[in-house]
Amino acid sequence: SQQGEEDPQALSIQEGENATMNCSYKTSINNLQWYRQNSGRGLVHLILIRSNEREKHSGRLRVTLDTSKKSSSLLITASRAADTASYFCATDPQIYGNNRLAFGKGNQVVVIP
Amino acid sequence: NAGVTQTPKFQVLKTGQSMTLQCAQDMNHEYMSWYRQDPGMGLRLIHYSVGAGITDQGEVPNGYNVSRSTTEDFPLRLLSAAPSQTSVYFCASSYYGRGTDTQYFGPGTRLTVL
Repeated sequence: SQQGEEDPQALSIQEGENATMNCSYKTSINNLQWYRQNSGRGLVHLILIRSNEREKHSGRLRVTLDTSKKSSSLLITASRAADTASYFCATDPQIYGNNRLAFGKGNQVVVIP
Repeated sequence: NAGVTQTPKFQVLKTGQSMTLQCAQDMNHEYMSWYRQDPGMGLRLIHYSVGAGITDQGEVPNGYNVSRSTTEDFPLRLLSAAPSQTSVYFCASSYYGRGTDTQYFGPGTRLTVL
């Protein structure tokens, strides 16, 4: 079953603005990952944050993790048209013997030039 | 490195036909997997493999078979295609034999079953 749930589902912003997406999950996790999917393409890994980390940066991306609220956010600063994509969170649940990620349903972002 | 490659890119089948979706990776990754992606459903794991000769079922394995005779290749076989198998199929791999590490995805195969 899908554990990660992104919110909001769809976001439309002007180029240069910031975009924020949230992901909530139900069970304790070892790590949480964010992926991007451009239209018609495969998913591309963006960033991984471990359960003992609270914030992580990669270029224009900032990810936060609040394990007490079981939620994560992905912030894209100074968005560009090329950031138009779907963004998925994926969790590694702390389940004995688990060997799979639980993907959310995705969050579509449209950046208007 | 070519990364994860998938063939074909597009395929149309008639109900009852069988076919094999190919997946290969040149990164010496131990873990390989197959997902299907349907609108509003996110990604669902079909089968996975933690190394050559080892495969296991994911969330939605019915109607699909896999084998892993080499580290590089992980084909997905549809035994008797059904319209419910219309979907986009993604192959993914990761370095260690763990499906919870960073996954590297192929470009996908868009399958339509009539």
